[in-house]
Amino acid sequence: SAVISQKPSRDICQRGTSLTIQCQVDSQVTMMFWYRQQPGQSLTLIATANQGSEATYESGFVIDKFPISRPNLTFSTLTVSNMSPEDSSIYLCSVRTGSNTGELFFGEGSRLTVL
Amino acid sequence: AQSVSQHNHHVILSEAASLELGCNYSYGGTVNLFWYVQYPGQHLQLLLKYFSGDPLVKGIKGFEAEFIKSKFSFNLRKPSVQWSDTAEYFCAVNARSNYQLIWGAGTKLIIKP
Repeated sequence: SAVISQKPSRDICQRGTSLTIQCQVDSQVTMMFWYRQQPGQSLTLIATANQGSEATYESGFVIDKFPISRPNLTFSTLTVSNMSPEDSSIYLCSVRTGSNTGELFFGEGSRLTVL
Repeated sequence: AQSVSQHNHHVILSEAASLELGCNYSYGGTVNLFWYVQYPGQHLQLLLKYFSGDPLVKGIKGFEAEFIKSKFSFNLRKPSVQWSDTAEYFCAVNARSNYQLIWGAGTKLIIKP
């Protein structure tokens, strides 16, 4: 298992600004992911955060809008850039440990509201 | 493309009622199956999982799920729900050949005391 801490847990932001969300894991993990959970919808994978290289983005998500860093095996950041009200959502960090079963562990999420 | 369907978006039950939440997936190969739960104000956590073996899987808090391969289903059940089971429940599937989880839309369960 893994314990994941996300900061901030919630924030209210102005349109046009950017916010960086931090994700800290209590152990080294091979794979870290960033998800978005919009109101009333399921989880959507934004990108896979790769240690030491650029993140791998899913269709519909681009690096300019959601830059991701992963400087080591226990930490990652997601920035939501030039925010608009449509970016209001819960952003979730998740990790997969060494097992190849696909099981994910989640942080508590960061609830962003963009005015 | 793979997909996961959860049939009920909202379910309201009284305490002690029996629960069954449907989950169907579309993928012809070997899969891993999960149910996650998100209690109000808390993070997503694993309720139960199926990888192989006995298709009837028991999870935490008295939940169980049955994998029926012929029906591509992995329904979640609990014989007698409690008020504390109020939460959102997500079914997720990944193909053994792919690490990425495919998520259902979630079912909001409300238990009336």
